[in-house]
Amino acid sequence: QQQVRQSPQSLTVWEGETAILNCSYEDSTFDYFPWYWQFPRESPALLIAIRPVSNKKEDGRFTIFFNKREKKLSLHITDSQPGDSATYFCAASGKAGNTGKLIFGLGTTLQVQP
Amino acid sequence: EAAVTQSPRSKVAVTGGKVTLSCHQTNNHDYMYWYRQDTGHGLRLIHYSYVADSTEKGDIPDGYKASRPSQENFSLILELASLSQTAVYFCASSEGTGWEQYFGPGTRLTVL
Repeated sequence: QQQVRQSPQSLTVWEGETAILNCSYEDSTFDYFPWYWQFPRESPALLIAIRPVSNKKEDGRFTIFFNKREKKLSLHITDSQPGDSATYFCAASGKAGNTGKLIFGLGTTLQVQP
Repeated sequence: EAAVTQSPRSKVAVTGGKVTLSCHQTNNHDYMYWYRQDTGHGLRLIHYSYVADSTEKGDIPDGYKASRPSQENFSLILELASLSQTAVYFCASSEGTGWEQYFGPGTRLTVL
């Protein structure tokens, strides 16, 4: 049973467009939601993260929108660039229940066409 | 300078053989993790540790052992390697739960 689900599995956008990556989770006790990105043949790295005290987190062109009631979040990448082409993993963790372990989704592979 | 290093970077092992993957971190982090990555399965936690000389099972511990002899070092041991353990293995460290995890470069393991 996948506790963190991502959609779509793959996404292609044109340079300059906004890419929207979706994530949903099962465990209502999760309280930390990082997004990691991974370029081909490289290791994952933290991109941006949010905690449920807020419903939005911005970092430059990257914004997380968080809906606690629906247990959903999304990552918006505005003015997408070819260099943003990577696989994006949504993850979640919480102190209660899963002892703070990070649970990763299966990822969304983003391709930005120039 | 890389803060999380792994060795070897790639390895070919024979079925039934013993494999040891090593991880070293200079972040002074208490938490260390071993993940495997397979196409279509994302990252899955095998073992983790929050203090030296102690390890915890992750979500897919079967067929793997872990060892944390010091704060800096964390090893993953496959006593009897199997074909199904062919994957890329990542080590990571973090200051604590709910904090950023820093990943090593990965080890590509092929079991024949």
